Amino acid sequence: DIQMTQSPSSLSASVGDRVTITCRASQGISDSLGWYQQKPGKGPKLLLYAASRLESGVPARFSGGGSGTDYTLTISSLQPEDFATYSCQQYYTTPYTFGQGTKLEI
Amino acid sequence: QVQLQESGPGLVKPSETLSLTCTVSGGSLIRYYWSWIRQPPGKGLEWIGYIYYSGSTSGSTNYNPSLRSRVTISGDTSKNQFSLDLSSVTAADTAVYHCARSPSINYGMDVWGQGTTVTVSS
Repeated sequence: DIQMTQSPSSLSASVGDRVTITCRASQGISDSLGWYQQKPGKGPKLLLYAASRLESGVPARFSGGGSGTDYTLTISSLQPEDFATYSCQQYYTTPYTFGQGTKLEI
Repeated sequence: QVQLQESGPGLVKPSETLSLTCTVSGGSLIRYYWSWIRQPPGKGLEWIGYIYYSGSTSGSTNYNPSLRSRVTISGDTSKNQFSLDLSSVTAADTAVYHCARSPSINYGMDVWGQGTTVTVSS
């Protein structure tokens, strides 16, 4: 299985801050990576796919980058509704695997 | 707008079979990948498996090897539903179970159900 290591596990920030979350795969995944936002009691919401492509309807303050084994999710200017848990997922090969999540707190 | 809704018992006894159904509204099962994912308390998301319908008949499945011996995913295109059966459950199977859709093998999961909590306890 491909292991996805996400960091940090939690992050404190303020409205307007720029934050970056990192995801490292145990082997190359050829940009087959998605980023998700999850709020309590809800299913995850897809933010980006193919590492850097914005899902329809997702604000442009979310961006993704990286290649090979190392990927990032950046939120350029935090808004109040962005405080949530973020997870990465590789779909390069099955079994699909997720990072452990990053809880973004005020 | 496609919506997914999980349903099933919230409490299952150890050694029994956990059975959940995902009802798809606003869309068809055909030509999409339909997954089950779970999240144990305090842990990350775990992919259980998917079913894919290329046509209106039988679907093809792919399971997480860690659960393959206990998992069956099936579906009914006429009812727009797909299901999860997980046999011989233990407390380690206690989790929030989500169903989700992927438009292709090269895409993330773009539609999710809100999840249903299943507790394994006697």
